[in-house]
Amino acid sequence: GENVEQHPSTLSVQEGDSAVIKCTYSDSASNYFPWYKQELGKRPQLIIDIRSNVGEKKDQRIAVTLNKTAKHFSLHITETQPEDSAVYFCAASTGANSKLTFGKGITLSVRP
Amino acid sequence: DAGVIQSPRHEVTEMGQEVTLRCKPISGHNSLFWYRQTMMRGLELLIYFNNNVPIDDSGMPEDRFSAKMPNASFSTLKIQPSEPRDSAVYFCASSWGSDLTEAFFGQGTRLTVV
Repeated sequence: GENVEQHPSTLSVQEGDSAVIKCTYSDSASNYFPWYKQELGKRPQLIIDIRSNVGEKKDQRIAVTLNKTAKHFSLHITETQPEDSAVYFCAASTGANSKLTFGKGITLSVRP
Repeated sequence: DAGVIQSPRHEVTEMGQEVTLRCKPISGHNSLFWYRQTMMRGLELLIYFNNNVPIDDSGMPEDRFSAKMPNASFSTLKIQPSEPRDSAVYFCASSWGSDLTEAFFGQGTRLTVV
């Protein structure tokens, strides 16, 4: 089955700096890659996703890049703010009606 | 729509007791997922249903865990008997499975087995 790994497990950045979170996946059939943000005590919520026919996607301060050859994808957050502090999960899926496999999550801390 | 609704939000029970967690997916969604979240293991998929049919239950830890989806608007996850190591946050999520789409999570049930 699919195996999704995230690196590093924790990340601390200064407010205003950029943060990059990387994920690798094992199943070459995976074609959907969402990122979820989970604030303390709350539910995971989708912040951005990318499909395999696209190499990069941006939404304001966040962007995701996908390298299908290397089987890795990354979340980029620019101009980080304290409210970006949360746990970020990457996930992969092989398609419709299939399951999402999540990475273990990374705790991002943005220092004011 | 109120989103995915889970109940109860918190459950404290004694070891050996039966625990039932409930989930109401978003109306119109046809895929439903049960996840367990712990610090050590992260978000683990326990089981998922498509059109009320269990598709993959390989994540269910052992026979003490069972899940049902009797109709499109309701699912249960049952633990019998419960053990302290079952303590975790259990999330239910739903999605419209005809395409690659977002899974919407419920607020979760925090289960503590003492």
